[in-house]
Amino acid sequence: EVQVVESGGGLVQPGGSLRLSCTASGFTFSKSWMTWVRQVPGKGLEWVANINEDGTKIYYVDAVKGRFTISRDNTKNSLYLYMNSLRDEDTAIYYCAKDGQCFDYWGQGTVVTVSS
Amino acid sequence: EIVLTQSPGTLSLSPGDRATLSCRASQSVTSKYLAWYQQKPGQAPRLLIYGASSRATGIPDRFSGSGSETHFTLTINRLESEDFAVYYCQQWGDSRWTFGQGTKVEIK
Repeated sequence: EVQVVESGGGLVQPGGSLRLSCTASGFTFSKSWMTWVRQVPGKGLEWVANINEDGTKIYYVDAVKGRFTISRDNTKNSLYLYMNSLRDEDTAIYYCAKDGQCFDYWGQGTVVTVSS
Repeated sequence: EIVLTQSPGTLSLSPGDRATLSCRASQSVTSKYLAWYQQKPGQAPRLLIYGASSRATGIPDRFSGSGSETHFTLTINRLESEDFAVYYCQQWGDSRWTFGQGTKVEIK
């Protein structure tokens, strides 16, 4: 059974930092692209960043370039999102998903709230 | 950036009806990387269709996808109560994924 579990969300002040984690099982993590997607409650989906199997190819949405860093540890079947210089508009549910031709497996999300 | 525009914003239908959802792209999209997702309140999105027309594992055959280049369609035949949800199209191009803004299928 495939499982994708995010963690690390919480309340942070504007300008602060947070690290999200995602642990996956049930598929070959080391052979899979992985991605982060976010969603403001009640709004649409926004892709944030993705990373290829060995971490040599990384892409970001313009809104987070220079502030967020995606990385992975294949020995731990884990994906990370380091978020710096957080803004109010980064408040959202952050989902981790298996990437490729599409996003076929998703976690349940972790909530990030940026507020003073 | 390739912009996906979904229409209509809301579709009000009855169980048993057919739903036809449109996704138009601002420029030609590679069909291999065109997907559709369903999302219900409080849940993560669920993959329905990938490669524009292939159903994901476990998706009923009342869901079908079609289209090419700049116009794609998700059709849901014989709507069932569990199909009332928000649907998103998605594409990969110019080294980024983009989503449409979503179509809500609600009970009339």
